[in-house]
Amino acid sequence: QITLKESGPTLVKPTQTLTLTCTFSGFSLSTSEVGVGWIRQPPGKALEWLALIFWSDDKYYSPSLKSRLTITKDTSKNQVVLAMTNMDPVDTATYFCAHYQAATIGLDFWGQGTLVTVSS
Amino acid sequence: DIVMTQTPLSSPVTLGQPASISCRSSQSLVHSDGNTYLSWLQQRPGQPPRLLIYQISNRFSGVPDRFSGSGAGTDFTLKISRVEAEDVGVYYCTQATQFPLTFGGGTKVEIK
Repeated sequence: QITLKESGPTLVKPTQTLTLTCTFSGFSLSTSEVGVGWIRQPPGKALEWLALIFWSDDKYYSPSLKSRLTITKDTSKNQVVLAMTNMDPVDTATYFCAHYQAATIGLDFWGQGTLVTVSS
Repeated sequence: DIVMTQTPLSSPVTLGQPASISCRSSQSLVHSDGNTYLSWLQQRPGQPPRLLIYQISNRFSGVPDRFSGSGAGTDFTLKISRVEAEDVGVYYCTQATQFPLTFGGGTKVEIK
C-alpha cells in the first residue's frame, strides 16, 4: 500500500525559503522507473506541476520556477525534499507530493497535501 | 510546454444521467514508445486528487466502471455513464508524455 505525506511550515514570510518534506511508504525510490513529484494548487485554482525526481536521481523542474526550486531524495529515509526560494504571497497554495510510475501510469498515488501561506 | 484545455468549465448533471468532459492537448500526446500518457484525475471537495484513468482508457485500481476514457492524439474524453452524488468534484486531465507535466484547468461536476 503506497502512502505519501507532506510536512513543513504552514506559514512563511515573503523572501524566505520554503522547505517541504514528502515521507512515503509502500515503495522504494531505488526501484527502476519510480519517481516522486511535487504539485501545488492555489486556493480555488487548478493544479500546477513543480518538480520530479527519479530513482536514478534524474530531476525535472517546471521551466517557470526552475531557478527557485531544488528537489532531493534520501532513499534510506524514504523522503523527498523540495526547497523553493524567495517565497511570495502568490505562492500560497496546497502543496502535494505524489508517486510517479514512469512508462506506464504517471502520477498515481497522492499525499493529502499541506497548505502553505505566504504572509508577513 | 503542452497546453491542456478542458471543456466545459462546469457541468451540472442530474443524478443518474451521463456526463462527458473533453480535453484537448496543444500537441500529440503519443510518446516515442507508442503509448499515450493521458490521465484523468478526480478531486472531491477538500480532498487530494485521485487517479481515475491512465493511458487514455485504463481504469485505475478501485475505480467504478461507470467511468470511462477514450480518444487519441490530441482529443480525449472522460465519460461518467450515470452520475452519482459521490462523483461531485473537479476533474482534471493531465499528460505525462513529456516534461513539464501539465494539467487542464479542471471541469466542475455538480448536481442540478
